[in-house]
Amino acid sequence: GDSVTQMEGPVTLSEEAFLTINCTYTATGYPSLFWYVQYPGEGLQLLLKATKADDKGSNKGFEATYRKETTSFHLEKGSVQVSDSAVYFCALRDNTNAGKSTFGDGTTLTVKP
Amino acid sequence: ETGVTQSPTHLIKTRGQQVTLRCSSQSGHNTVSWYQQALGQGPQFIFQYYREEENGRGNFPPRFSGLQFPNYSSELNVNALELDDSALYLCASSLGGRLAYSYEQYFGPGTRLTVT
Repeated sequence: GDSVTQMEGPVTLSEEAFLTINCTYTATGYPSLFWYVQYPGEGLQLLLKATKADDKGSNKGFEATYRKETTSFHLEKGSVQVSDSAVYFCALRDNTNAGKSTFGDGTTLTVKP
Repeated sequence: ETGVTQSPTHLIKTRGQQVTLRCSSQSGHNTVSWYQQALGQGPQFIFQYYREEENGRGNFPPRFSGLQFPNYSSELNVNALELDDSALYLCASSLGGRLAYSYEQYFGPGTRLTVT
């Protein structure tokens, strides 16, 4: 079955530091890949997506590239802000099983001023 | 454009009871998915409805059931509640069909269910 593995957290960084959150996946079909962010007490918000190999998704300074050869979709940001503190989830939607989403367990990011 | 809404926000039930959670999908979306998110974990897929029919299901027992209405809003029903059912229940709406996997899902704020 499908699975998503994220680097274990929590991750604590100083403001303006470089961020990488690793994500690898296994899938039976041809998935689309997503990063979602969840702020305390809220639902998930889409951060970025990529629908095919070598696509790069980007939004709000965050980037991730769909690497089929390494089955990875690592999230990066060059300079984090305190407001980026949240839980980040990597997810895939497979083209089988009605496009259900499979999520990683999330990585908690805390950015200190 | 109205986003995904869920009701109620919080709910406390006793073991063995039944509960109904509600979700209104985003305008123009014909697919609703339900997820269970336990504390400290990622959301787990319960099932999905596309044009009023269930078209995908995760590893959840039959006491988890649902409906989708002609306006694409949806309900999640859980019978015979167990303590382990305590979680945040998330509803997500999206476009469906053959390319469903390429579309993003828009999530509601969730319903926090506590079973005592």
